Amino acid sequence: GAGVSQSPSNKVTEKGKDVELRCDPISGHTALYWYRQSLGQGLEFLIYFQGNSAPDKSGLPSDRFSAERTGESVSTLTIQRTQQEDSAVYLCASSLDRGLGTDTQYFGPGTRLTVL
Amino acid sequence: EDQVTQSPEALRLQEGESSSLNCSYTVSGLRGLFWYRQDPGKGPEFLFTLYSAGEEKEKERLKATLTKKESFLHITAPKPEDSATYLCAVPRASGAGSYQLTFGKGTKLSVIP
Repeated sequence: GAGVSQSPSNKVTEKGKDVELRCDPISGHTALYWYRQSLGQGLEFLIYFQGNSAPDKSGLPSDRFSAERTGESVSTLTIQRTQQEDSAVYLCASSLDRGLGTDTQYFGPGTRLTVL
Repeated sequence: EDQVTQSPEALRLQEGESSSLNCSYTVSGLRGLFWYRQDPGKGPEFLFTLYSAGEEKEKERLKATLTKKESFLHITAPKPEDSATYLCAVPRASGAGSYQLTFGKGTKLSVIP
């Protein structure tokens, strides 16, 4: 079946502009995660959605970052007033998530964001 | 604070030269340890989940093992196509009853023909 898809694959923007990144999870996966991977750094958790529950936003680095998800479908990550330090690969993952922390997360190919 | 440390950061092997990658962790109440493979320009690809000390899992030339403090990814007779960055991760509780993965920084494996 289809895996997690993300768009765009690459995004180049100017400092101060807003960007929107999209993630399509695997059909039937109730949980969706956003991570950021900076050069030389590990994957950093940003935000987690589970069904209709309130999202866990504890990983968002600043109030310039926000994300939305409608039901159990597409999610968008928005970065407002981008800064050069926002340059990274943004990865989305989805899982069945039975709430035990043991479900496998499947990742999309990522969006490479470059802020000039 | 829960931590995941991988070593070495980089490893170069000749084709056929077996070796092991290490992932040490400090987490209370381990719920599992995940291994992923990441190729350049791609997202992480799931390899294994280990749930309890003593557990082992195999896939082709890879075997993952788990103790109470660390996990090893053994690579037997590697081939150039095994070249990738290998990531390990553990779930940690993150408020509101949810669990997030804490990743190590990875081991970049290069297998030379």
